[in-house]
Parts: sequence; C-alpha cells; structure tokens
Amino acid sequence: ETGVTQSPTHLIKTRGQQVTLRCSSQSGHNTVSWYQQALGQGPQFIFQYYREEENGRGNFPPRFSGLQFPNYSSELNVNALELDDSALYLCASSSTLQGGGETQYFGPGTRLLVL
Amino acid sequence: AQRVTQPEKLLSVFKGAPVELKCNYSYSGSPELFWYVQYSRQRLQLLLRHISRESIKGFTADLNKGETSFHLKKPFAQEEDSAMYYCALRHGFQKLVFGTGTRLLVSP
Repeated sequence: ETGVTQSPTHLIKTRGQQVTLRCSSQSGHNTVSWYQQALGQGPQFIFQYYREEENGRGNFPPRFSGLQFPNYSSELNVNALELDDSALYLCASSSTLQGGGETQYFGPGTRLLVL
Repeated sequence: AQRVTQPEKLLSVFKGAPVELKCNYSYSGSPELFWYVQYSRQRLQLLLRHISRESIKGFTADLNKGETSFHLKKPFAQEEDSAMYYCALRHGFQKLVFGTGTRLLVSP
C-alpha cells in the first residue's frame, strides 16, 4: 500500500507569483483534502475534492483553487501569492463511501516560502 | 462555529509520570473527535478517534459531551511519546478542524 505523497517538498516564490502543489492519494482512496499549516498553528482546511469536484471549502479566497484527476491525485494552485501564504501545505487522502467521510491520511507536506 | 481549543502549548513531564493533554471543543451537533500525533520529522498521523473507543500506544481519550472535552491520557509516559499532539473535530463529512497543538516533552 502506497502512502500519500506530495511534491515538491520545499518551494520558494516571490509575492505575486503563482504556485502549483501536487498530491498523490493513498492507494484505494478517492477523496483529497488540502490544509494550510502556518507556523505554530494547527492545520486549517482549504478544500476537499471528491469525484473530481470541489466538495467543501474553508475560509480561503478564490485565488486558492484545485483540481482532482481521474486517478484521484490532486493539485492545489495559489495565484497572486502573498507573504502570509508562507506555510506548510498538507494533503490528506481518504475513502469516501456513499458520502460519508473516513479517516484522513496525511502526506509529508510542501513547505512554501513567499518572499 | 466549530472550534477546538488546546490550552497548553507545551507539556513537560518525566518518564513514568501520568499525562493528560487537554482538548475542549465547541460544536452544535454530534461531534466526531480525533487525536493526531506528529513525531519529529514524520508526517501527521492518526492516533485515535473517539468512535473507536480504543487504546493506542497506551493512550485513551473519552468524549465528555457535558464538559465538551476530549482529553488525551496516558498513565505512564515514555520518552518515545515526545511529539506534537493535535486534537481535531470533524465537521460534517468534510473538513477537520484542528486545535493549535500541544508539544509533549517526556524527559528521562
């Protein structure tokens, strides 16, 4: 069984740039959730994807967007980067059965630094 | 609004001492609560969930709806328990709402 993987591990960008983060879900999982973890804080929910559609969104602006592909992998895109976007971005996969959520398994994260 | 509060940023105990990591929540409905743990240089991983009512690595947590708490306990701490612990609440079938975490440091 392959766990959740994320790429890249680290990334440095400047304000105003755009970034794409990638996540491969654990084998057998069909749902991907993205979280932002600022320094000293717990993870904050950005959004979730199920069946290639957004299935819930946290309190993040529209410049945070995502995709899910037929193989259940996912991308998180952030446009017009701001300094406050500097954080660890976590992807979690789970298996959603008939609309019910199961345990979320986390990837190692991508650390983004915006200068 | 859903909220999870972990009042202690750091909890330092000696090996063999009892441990209690506090977690309080606010949620209008039937909550589903979790404890996640992150060991040094490892990913966030599930420790236990209240619906399982199980003990993992000697840790237990009981949901107290009257006090809206889900404290994590272990009778005898071990050095390998040193880690960051996050309490989380599931909202609907979707997002997890996390607390700010408590760092547990177990000294020899």
